[in-house]
Amino acid sequence: DTAVSQTPKYLVTQMGNDKSIKCEQNLGHDTMYWYKQDSKKFLKIMFSYNNKELIINETVPNRFSPKSPDKAHLNLHINSLELGDSAVYFCAAGTGSGYTFGSGTRLTVV
Amino acid sequence: QKEVEQNSGPLSVPEGAIASLNCTYSDRGSQSFFWYRQYSGKSPELIMSIYSNGDKEDGRFTAQLNKASQYVSLLIRDSQPSDSATYLCAVNKNAGNMLTFGGGTRLMVKP
Repeated sequence: DTAVSQTPKYLVTQMGNDKSIKCEQNLGHDTMYWYKQDSKKFLKIMFSYNNKELIINETVPNRFSPKSPDKAHLNLHINSLELGDSAVYFCAAGTGSGYTFGSGTRLTVV
Repeated sequence: QKEVEQNSGPLSVPEGAIASLNCTYSDRGSQSFFWYRQYSGKSPELIMSIYSNGDKEDGRFTAQLNKASQYVSLLIRDSQPSDSATYLCAVNKNAGNMLTFGGGTRLMVKP
């Protein structure tokens, strides 16, 4: 069983489209996160959800909206995709003692 | 000043040598410190955590923390080609358990 699973692994789409990335964890953690990793490998926090409540919302465009139907799932919906959104998006679950990351979703906007 | 800073490298060491990776952080109130390893095209994997000043050893890995100097390091003894990866330093400022990552140091271990 994969501890943190993301789908899809690859996503190629045109500018202006709307897309979603799904994430599920079976570790029982209360907190889940979305990180964006750019081409220079810099991992930047986007959102954090603690037991279905948003507790951190870093400065990201409001085209990005996290949705958490329950504490095991945290999905990321992106509206009106732009070229600059191309990156690898990682979901993670964990606490202040460390995270477990999903395998990542490589998003390419053309 | 970035919150967590690392030299991007690449750091090249011969097989069997000690690799030394360094990280500095800006928030003096930071509580927890982590090292993640990320192979190309893969997700970050937690390899070490350290919470108090001093050294913490786990196999070939030793994490060192100096809170007064706001400095964290990772030593890899007897480096192997399979250790070639990007090493990410992460710091927990206790802001909702959020981890802030450095930009990573790329390590290359040459046979």
